[in-house]
Amino acid sequence: KAGVTQTPRYLIKTRGQQVTLSCSPISGHRSVSWYQQTPGQGLQFLFEYFSETQRNKGNFPGRFSGRQFSNSRSEMNVSTLELGDSALYLCASSLVGQGVTGELFFGEGSRLTVL
Amino acid sequence: EDQVTQSPEALRLQEGESSSLNCSYTVSGLRGLFWYRQDPGKGPEFLFTLYSAGEEKEKERLKATLTKKESFLHITAPKPEDSATYLCAVQAEEAAGNKLTFGGGTRVLVKP
Repeated sequence: KAGVTQTPRYLIKTRGQQVTLSCSPISGHRSVSWYQQTPGQGLQFLFEYFSETQRNKGNFPGRFSGRQFSNSRSEMNVSTLELGDSALYLCASSLVGQGVTGELFFGEGSRLTVL
Repeated sequence: EDQVTQSPEALRLQEGESSSLNCSYTVSGLRGLFWYRQDPGKGPEFLFTLYSAGEEKEKERLKATLTKKESFLHITAPKPEDSATYLCAVQAEEAAGNKLTFGGGTRVLVKP
């Protein structure tokens, strides 16, 4: 069974540019969450999508956005990149869309470097 | 605001030397507490879910326990392959979906 696939794995951008990251969840998983991981702040929740609807959003500026497609694949976009956006962006999928799960299956992440 | 604090930040152990990791949390109603393991260059891997105080879960050399204010991850007779960063996270009752609040993690290094 294929795991969560994130592309690209590594990318370098310059300040002011925008970036789109992609996530393919495990087959059958309808919930996709995005997290940002940095050495200083650790893992921070960005947003979650379920059945193409954003169900939850973390405390990030509007420059961070996402969407989910009918096949559950998800993309996140960061516009007007800042140096502080350099991080590992992790996508996680979950089988169950409601209630307690916490059993998130993470991809290996997309490492973004902003110069 | 939900908060999770893990200690120590780093732990160096000799193979076979048992130890415990601490996760203190404040949340307005706990729906679940989760432990994950993260290897360098990889995404976190789910280990346990704990729902209520007094609950315990075990997996190989790992045992997780939960009280009303903290959780412990006990590593018994660790092996070098247990070296990883261990992450604790909480989900609040009021949180919809899969929003988790993570602690900063404990980096564990087990030397042979």
